[in-house]
Amino acid sequence: GAGVSQSPSNKVTEKGKDVELRCDPISGHTALYWYRQRLGQGLEFLIYFQGNSAPDKSGLPSDRFSAERTGESVSTLTIQRTQQEDSAVYLCASSLGASRETQYFGPGTRLLVL
Amino acid sequence: SQKIEQNSEALNIQEGKTATLTCNYTNYSPAYLQWYRQDPGRGPVFLLLIRENEKEKRKERLKVTFDTTLKQSLFHITASQPADSATYLCALSDTGRRALTFGSGTRLQVQP
Repeated sequence: GAGVSQSPSNKVTEKGKDVELRCDPISGHTALYWYRQRLGQGLEFLIYFQGNSAPDKSGLPSDRFSAERTGESVSTLTIQRTQQEDSAVYLCASSLGASRETQYFGPGTRLLVL
Repeated sequence: SQKIEQNSEALNIQEGKTATLTCNYTNYSPAYLQWYRQDPGRGPVFLLLIRENEKEKRKERLKVTFDTTLKQSLFHITASQPADSATYLCALSDTGRRALTFGSGTRLQVQP
């Protein structure tokens, strides 16, 4: 079956613009995660969705970042008023159930803020 | 403060040798620990999971150990091949926390 997909694969934007990144998890996976990975760095947790529970937003770096998920399907990560330090790869992952399960990652969206 | 440490320097080894990567953590009480592989330009791929009550886990040429007293996991690749060259990330799940926390990874380069 299909894996986790993300779009766009690359995004170049100007400082101050808003961007929206999309993630399609594996069908049937109730948990969905967003991470940020700066060049040469590890993964930085942003937000976690589990079914209909309130999302864990503890990793969002500022109020310019927000994410939504419709049921157990698509999620969008929105960055408002982008800054140059937002440039990174944004990775989405999904897992079958509770957060401790194996995570399956998408290819990421490479965001460059000029 | 909480930390997950992996050797930031690349590990260079000769084909056929055993590669050993280290993951140390402080101020975590992980229920389990996972290892992922990441190739350039790609998302991480799950390799192995080891639980806190397990000392060792094997999968083909891969072996993971987990010492909760030392707060350390070792990841071994035996009979290494150039195709094993990648960055390897450890990740752990802290008790009571719902998401994984990742280390920054160690890059492995296997020379033919």
